[in-house]
Amino acid sequence: KAGVTQTPRYLIKTRGQQVTLSCSPISGHRSVSWYQQTPGQGLQFLFEYFSETQRNKGNFPGRFSGRQFSNSRSEMNVSTLELGDSALYLCASRTILGLNTEAFFGQGTRLTVV
Amino acid sequence: TQLLEQSPQFLSIQEGENLTVYCNSSSVFSSLQWYRQEPGEGPVLLVTVVTGGEVKKLKRLTFQFGDARKDSSLHITAAQPGDTGLYLCAGNTGNQFYFGTGTSLTVIP
Repeated sequence: KAGVTQTPRYLIKTRGQQVTLSCSPISGHRSVSWYQQTPGQGLQFLFEYFSETQRNKGNFPGRFSGRQFSNSRSEMNVSTLELGDSALYLCASRTILGLNTEAFFGQGTRLTVV
Repeated sequence: TQLLEQSPQFLSIQEGENLTVYCNSSSVFSSLQWYRQEPGEGPVLLVTVVTGGEVKKLKRLTFQFGDARKDSSLHITAAQPGDTGLYLCAGNTGNQFYFGTGTSLTVIP
């Protein structure tokens, strides 16, 4: 069974640009969550999608948005990039929302904003 | 404010030593996961504990969930260089996962 796949693995963008990251969950998993990881802040929750609907949202500005498609694949978009957006962006998938479901992570997309 | 606090934040030990990492919260979780992450990679799930007081073993790693399901510990026996990495705990409330601050472990050969 294939794991969670994130593309691209690495990305360099200029301040002010926008970027779209992609996440394909494990087959059969309907929930996809996105996280930002930086050395200073650790893993910060961005949002979670389930059945194409955003179920939870973290404390990030509106420049961060996402969506989920009918095949459960998800994309995350960041507009008007800032230097502070440089981070490892991780997505995680799980089967359903629930108490004891486990989250499995992709390898991440390393975004560098210059 | 972090919902889950891990200690210590950094740990550097010699190969063969034992160590314990703690994950503490004032909140109750329905389950708790431990992950290990290597630089530039995504976290890899090690174990899930569900029942208060539960103990799970994974080779030289022993995981325990607190009786009140608010805290957890990870004990590594006879650490090896391959254990080096960032250890993360994550509590599941059913609605959302909350990640700990992380413990960066370095095992020196």
